[in-house]
Amino acid sequence: DVKVTQSSRYLVKRTGEKVFLECVQDMDHENMFWYRQDPGLGLRLIYFSYDVKMKEKGDIPEGYSVSREKKERFSLILESASTNQTSMYLCASSLILGRGYTFGSGTRLTVV
Amino acid sequence: QKEVEQNSGPLSVPEGAIASLNCTYSDRVSQSFFWYRQYSGKSPELIMSIYSNGDKEDGRFTAQLNKASQYVSLLIRDSQPSDSATYLCAVKHGSGNTGKLIFGQGTTLQVKP
Repeated sequence: DVKVTQSSRYLVKRTGEKVFLECVQDMDHENMFWYRQDPGLGLRLIYFSYDVKMKEKGDIPEGYSVSREKKERFSLILESASTNQTSMYLCASSLILGRGYTFGSGTRLTVV
Repeated sequence: QKEVEQNSGPLSVPEGAIASLNCTYSDRVSQSFFWYRQYSGKSPELIMSIYSNGDKEDGRFTAQLNKASQYVSLLIRDSQPSDSATYLCAVKHGSGNTGKLIFGQGTTLQVKP
C-alpha cells in the first residue's frame, strides 16, 4: 500500500511565522497535492505538482507556496502565517493524474 | 451551482438498513468518480471508484453512475455502526491527462444500533 506521511499531526504557530509542512510518499508517485479542509467548506486544493520542480496553483494558493525538489517529497510553505490559515492540511499523492488519491494523516495547524 | 454537490446530512439509518448517498456534478465531460470515507478526525480513505455507467459492487458497497443525469451514488447494504462517517464524493473534471479531483462537501452518515 502507498504510504503518505505528513511530518506533524498537530502544530501551533504564531502569527507571522514561516511554517513548513512536509509530506513524503513512498510509491514513486508522480502527482502530489496539498489540500486544506475546513468545516462547511470541504476540501480545497492549494497547490499540486505533476513532477519534480513542477508546481501548479490550485483554487486557493494565496499565502502559500510549495517546493518539490525530490519526487517523494512535497512541502507546503506558509510564508507568513495568519489566523485564517488555521485548518486541517492534507497531503495526497496519486500514480495516475485524476485517479484516486491516497491521503496522508493530516496536519492540524493552529495559528495564534 | 457547485461543481460537486452532496446533501450534508446527517443521514441517519438503523443498523442493517441500506444507506443511500447521492452526488451530482456539473462537468459533462467528467470521466472518473470516487467515493471516500472520512472518520471524524481522520483523513479521507478511498473506498470506491467508478468510470463507466452502471453499477459497481465491492462487498457491501455499490457505486452507481449515470452520466446522462450527471449523478453518482453510493449504496451501503447491511449498514453497521462502524460505517458512521462522512462520505465524500470526488469527480475528475476535465479530460485526458489534465484535470483534477473536485470534492463535494460530504454527507455525514449515522448508523444507529
